[in-house]
Amino acid sequence: AQSVTQLDSHVSVSEGTPVLLRCNYSSSYSPSLFWYVQHPNKGLQLLLKYTSAATLVKGINGFEAEFKKSETSFHLTKPSAHMSDAAEYFCVVSDPRDDKIIFGKGTRLHILP
Amino acid sequence: DGGITQSPKYLFRKEGQNVTLSCEQNLNHDAMYWYRQDPGQGLRLIYYSQIVNDFQKGDIAEGYSVSREKKESFPLTVTSAQKNPTAFYLCASSIYAESGNTIYFGEGSWLTVV
Repeated sequence: AQSVTQLDSHVSVSEGTPVLLRCNYSSSYSPSLFWYVQHPNKGLQLLLKYTSAATLVKGINGFEAEFKKSETSFHLTKPSAHMSDAAEYFCVVSDPRDDKIIFGKGTRLHILP
Repeated sequence: DGGITQSPKYLFRKEGQNVTLSCEQNLNHDAMYWYRQDPGQGLRLIYYSQIVNDFQKGDIAEGYSVSREKKESFPLTVTSAQKNPTAFYLCASSIYAESGNTIYFGEGSWLTVV
């Protein structure tokens, strides 16, 4: 069975410093992995996705994530945080063999001035 | 521009009343989904549909109903049987690829019981 664990429910960083949001997954097959961002009272926007091509995936707004099979991780990073990055971030795993899409519980990113 | 449109953005329900949330997509996606999100919590799947005239219950289907008469539309009815319906509702659709489905979301609808 698939599962996804976001290791931090809240992360606070200062503006201009690096961001690291952690995600671990469990899957018996090569999964597809995604990160979504949700601003208050909005829907979820796709940031980036991994689908078994390059292990380092670049997304929108300067975010990127690295797929590490040996660590079963797909952590989201950004070199320099901006105030507009304050939002909820969801890690998602999908098994290409079926239609199951599993969401993590989310990480709330706070940006300190 | 292609996308997913949810309406209304805000809806108020009286006790004992059924209400319907609309979801329309022009992305030509086969699969559509309804999720419920409670404040500070993740997403929970209510119903999903992989094809017209077919749909399956998700994890929290009790008190909800759906229909899928057209590919573009997947309305959700919150019935009076749903005792705690106040939440943010998200509609989504996805397109199948061999590498896996990518899911796209609407802007959401707030439902409040008054």
